[in-house]
Amino acid sequence: EAGVAQSPRYKIIEKRQSVAFWCNPISGHATLYWYQQILGQGPKLLIQFQNNGVVDDSQLPKDRFSAERLKGVDSTLKIQPAKLEDSAVYLCASSSEGTQYFGPGTRLTVL
Amino acid sequence: AQSVSQHNHHVILSEAASLELGCNYSYGGTVNLFWYVQYPGQHLQLLLKYFSGDPLVKGIKGFEAEFIKSKFSFNLRKPSVQWSDTAEYFCAVFMDSNYQLIWGAGTKLIIKP
Repeated sequence: EAGVAQSPRYKIIEKRQSVAFWCNPISGHATLYWYQQILGQGPKLLIQFQNNGVVDDSQLPKDRFSAERLKGVDSTLKIQPAKLEDSAVYLCASSSEGTQYFGPGTRLTVL
Repeated sequence: AQSVSQHNHHVILSEAASLELGCNYSYGGTVNLFWYVQYPGQHLQLLLKYFSGDPLVKGIKGFEAEFIKSKFSFNLRKPSVQWSDTAEYFCAVFMDSNYQLIWGAGTKLIIKP
């Protein structure tokens, strides 16, 4: 079974630029999560989708972050404009029967 | 408020030493518990999980964890660690109210060869 796919793996941008991340979950997993993981900390949930609907985006900084999952499969997370404090690893996970499976993440560096 | 506490942020052991990483949680609902591991440069992987039944659960690579309900704990153990166990370990609790995980801050484990 293929795992959660994410791209790109690494991205370096300057502050105020925009960036987008892509995630393809495990086939058949209805729930998809985006997390932000800052070095030395546990993952912080940004947004949770159930199929193509948003279940929880209470911790998503909506002034600059947006996410969508148009057909209930792939998802994109966008940051516009980026700030220095957005430097982190962005993780995508999908879940089945209460267990979350993670992709390799995208390491974002904002200069 | 719901929370997960991992007692040690950094642990350094020699090879063949025994390991126990503490995890305590605060959550009043049905408890599903997880340990994830993140090896250097790799993504988060599921190490083991507890949903119900035998409170002693076995995971990959010789790890096990014991759920003690009265102590709200889910400590991770391994009798004899190897250099390849060097990684960061995260404890997480699944909230059945919203299908989200509450994460501990992680424990960085370094095994000296």
